[in-house]
Amino acid sequence: DAGITQSPRHKVTETGTPVTLRCHQTENHRYMYWYRQDPGHGLRLIHYSYGVKDTDKGEVSDGYSVSRSKTEDFLLTLESATSSQTSVYFCAISGPKGEPQHFGDGTRLSIL
Amino acid sequence: SQQGEEDPQALSIQEGENATMNCSYKTSINNLQWYRQNSGRGLVHLILIRSNEREKHSGRLRVTLDTSKKSSSLLITASRAADTASYFCATAINTDKLIFGTGTRLQVFP
Repeated sequence: DAGITQSPRHKVTETGTPVTLRCHQTENHRYMYWYRQDPGHGLRLIHYSYGVKDTDKGEVSDGYSVSRSKTEDFLLTLESATSSQTSVYFCAISGPKGEPQHFGDGTRLSIL
Repeated sequence: SQQGEEDPQALSIQEGENATMNCSYKTSINNLQWYRQNSGRGLVHLILIRSNEREKHSGRLRVTLDTSKKSSSLLITASRAADTASYFCATAINTDKLIFGTGTRLQVFP
């Protein structure tokens, strides 16, 4: 299995608080992605990175920011969490553009 | 709107039967990929088929691609209870991203 670790695996927090999710890889892959998965919507891309300090927005980026200061770490931040951001968040990595992605086991985030 | 749409949304079969899932998409692609997701886990890549390929096999999996109809199918032969999962197609167009469909939930009864 590809070396991808997401932390935390579960988190419950309150509306208005900041939240940071971490994705750590040991594969030295160039591309890293953050998705959210909600019933009826499949996986939707939030942000992705194509290198250190190189990031771009995905389909549902509003309310989220990301940072990648090292190849192995990709952070997703909810500056002021809202209940609509309750979801399961997945990190993925890949080598070349468009090639298969390898996923972490997700973070279940509940915002009350 | 979703690039990939799977059909059916849910499928229930008995062990030993074949399972077929379909994926339709809207724009030209570089490749199409199928993933499996077990409950509570991340997605696992199953197979990739490129736009110039028509059929690909991997073990009990057979994937076809019809670019003229913008559709793909995933066939799982001789299904097992362990195949119970959700299956997603994802399309790679000329960007850094994959676009995932909403998935087919497969239930295989022993």
